[in-house]
Amino acid sequence: GAVVSQHPSWVICKSGTSVKIECRSLDFQATTMFWYRQFPKQSLMLMATSNEGSKATYEQGVEKDKFLINHASLTLSTLTVTSAHPEDSSFYICSAQTTGTLVTGELFFGEGSRLTVL
Amino acid sequence: AQKITQTQPGMFVQEKEAVTLDCTYDTSDPSYGLFWYKQPSSGEMIFLIYQGSYDQQNATEGRYSLNFQKARKSANLVISASQLGDSAMYFCAMREGAGGFKTIFGAGTRLFVKA
Repeated sequence: GAVVSQHPSWVICKSGTSVKIECRSLDFQATTMFWYRQFPKQSLMLMATSNEGSKATYEQGVEKDKFLINHASLTLSTLTVTSAHPEDSSFYICSAQTTGTLVTGELFFGEGSRLTVL
Repeated sequence: AQKITQTQPGMFVQEKEAVTLDCTYDTSDPSYGLFWYKQPSSGEMIFLIYQGSYDQQNATEGRYSLNFQKARKSANLVISASQLGDSAMYFCAMREGAGGFKTIFGAGTRLFVKA
């Protein structure tokens, strides 16, 4: 099956620093990846759609200058939380579609990254 | 605008019994896909089942079945013969249009399976 790997799983950083989260499709090429954010005991909120070789499409209310997304290759998308603050603490999870699921739209998820900003 | 509603914050079920998790949706797009995902306490999202808006039959995957009532815009998940390992958060999700479009999620239902 399609495997998506996310790194790091846990990260703790000081307020004001930047944190990069990587999302890799291990056994398939992902032209589109999606980044979600999940607060404790809440649902997944779509932050942005990452397309290989082009700029990401951000959802309304998501600061694109704060959450930088780069999708430089067909197997890697990165999310950088710039100048992180405690309110950015959350569970960030990426997902991807394979060419085999373009019709259905089934998503394959990474393990998620839990960010804690002190 | 898309909308997914899960009205059950939490559900209890006895081991080996069946349970139904409710989901209603709202969309004006005639082409859409409905999904159920499971999220254990570890956090990973696990795809369970898919139903396309044009599918004539309800989807089934092992112990999971999707009760698709298009006119009512509902897509309830039925888990048969519940197991202790089924205890998790369950999310209903919808994708509008053809594949490659974004997917939105409902608030989720936490299922507790009792021994």
